[in-house]
Amino acid sequence: AQKITQTQPGMFVQEKEAVTLDCTYDTSDPSYGLFWYKQPSSGEMIFLIYQGSYDQQNATEGRYSLNFQKARKSANLVISASQLGDSAMYFCAITGAGSYQLTFGKGTKLSVIP
Amino acid sequence: DTAVSQTPKYLVTQMGNDKSIKCEQNLGHDTMYWYKQDSKKFLKIMFSYNNKELIINETVPNRFSPKSPDKAHLNLHINSLELGDSAVYFCASSPGHLGQPQHFGDGTRLSIL
Repeated sequence: AQKITQTQPGMFVQEKEAVTLDCTYDTSDPSYGLFWYKQPSSGEMIFLIYQGSYDQQNATEGRYSLNFQKARKSANLVISASQLGDSAMYFCAITGAGSYQLTFGKGTKLSVIP
Repeated sequence: DTAVSQTPKYLVTQMGNDKSIKCEQNLGHDTMYWYKQDSKKFLKIMFSYNNKELIINETVPNRFSPKSPDKAHLNLHINSLELGDSAVYFCASSPGHLGQPQHFGDGTRLSIL
């Protein structure tokens, strides 16, 4: 069984500041993948970034980076230079090799303050 | 071009009715999924199909029946709708390999009166 824990129901960040959204996971799969998705108030699910369990380097995609600490089973999302458009729900999710499904955390609602 | 499209976007209906949600993907992916997002925004897998074969069937009432006529389509039929079925239903697709993200449709908001 796989599990994702996001302990921050809501976060506030000042515009142009960086923010870290926490994600810890639990899995018995030796090979797995971690994803972050953004869900704005309009409702669509937008893929942001992926980290594989065997990747040597932390993933980065533009202003998004993933602080992956395998021993601690954490995969925190870092958003640099926050923008008003970053206000949304953010979901961390995990999938295992051979398992097609995503197991999601409960999400963190990020609000960017001007 | 919409990669994963769901119809309808909104569905308002009475308790006890039967309804269907359609999903189509034009990404050439082998695997398609249905997720349910409840009122607290929690997303949970319901079904997954790989090349038209059911591979995941989570604990979902048998009033919910997925159908995949071909690799590009995965429809969801719901019988005898109940108040608790009110939610947003997302269709998604992926190549089915670790490391490849799932692409989501825009969701169908189902409201039961």
